[in-house]
Amino acid sequence: DAEITQSPRHKITETGRQVTLACHQTWNHNNMFWYRQDLGHGLRLIHYSYGVQDTNKGEVSDGYSVSRSNTEDLPLTLESAASSQTSVYFCASSDTTLSTDTQYFGPGTRLTVL
Amino acid sequence: DAKTTQPTSMDCAEGRAANLPCNHSTISGNEYVYWYRQIHSQGPQYIIHGLKNNETNEMASLIITEDRKSSTLILPHATLRDTAVYYCIVRALTGTASKLTFGTGTRLQVTL
Repeated sequence: DAEITQSPRHKITETGRQVTLACHQTWNHNNMFWYRQDLGHGLRLIHYSYGVQDTNKGEVSDGYSVSRSNTEDLPLTLESAASSQTSVYFCASSDTTLSTDTQYFGPGTRLTVL
Repeated sequence: DAKTTQPTSMDCAEGRAANLPCNHSTISGNEYVYWYRQIHSQGPQYIIHGLKNNETNEMASLIITEDRKSSTLILPHATLRDTAVYYCIVRALTGTASKLTFGTGTRLQVTL
């Protein structure tokens, strides 16, 4: 069955380190998204991509970057981790038509920045 | 996207139908009603969506009123595994993907 996976599921890192969170989907979806979820804020969009070589900033993109070199993967990089980036990160993918834009989410990565 | 209003929490006995309401009185003609849920510590899960007709799939049924100002998600035989936060989202579909905006949702507690 098609799925979307994230790794690692849990990560502890130190302030200032570069961290990369992986997202892999086998739906063959063109669209991929990264969200973060914090208490009191719901899910907030970090970056998204409509296809290979396409990336776009979301509402909370500062300090994060993504690259899309193939359809299946959209890794999220924290250039220099900060304590404010402690959060749960969710990746999602979708294939969009005029009657559907259903996003399928991964299991999440819990990141702690000390 | 139109704003939605949902009750903060609901309880349901296992085996009974869970009926989760959502008000979206400012919905536009091209906006769909989507339902997602989030089980504790997991990623949000798509349940169902619809425009104006009632919809049913293997997970749930979606009943949309004729004026489209409200809808009800029905889990026909709730189990303990259905305990989750349920989100009603109204969004236009333009053929281009867009972010999902989750409100506070309804926390459904299924009990024995």
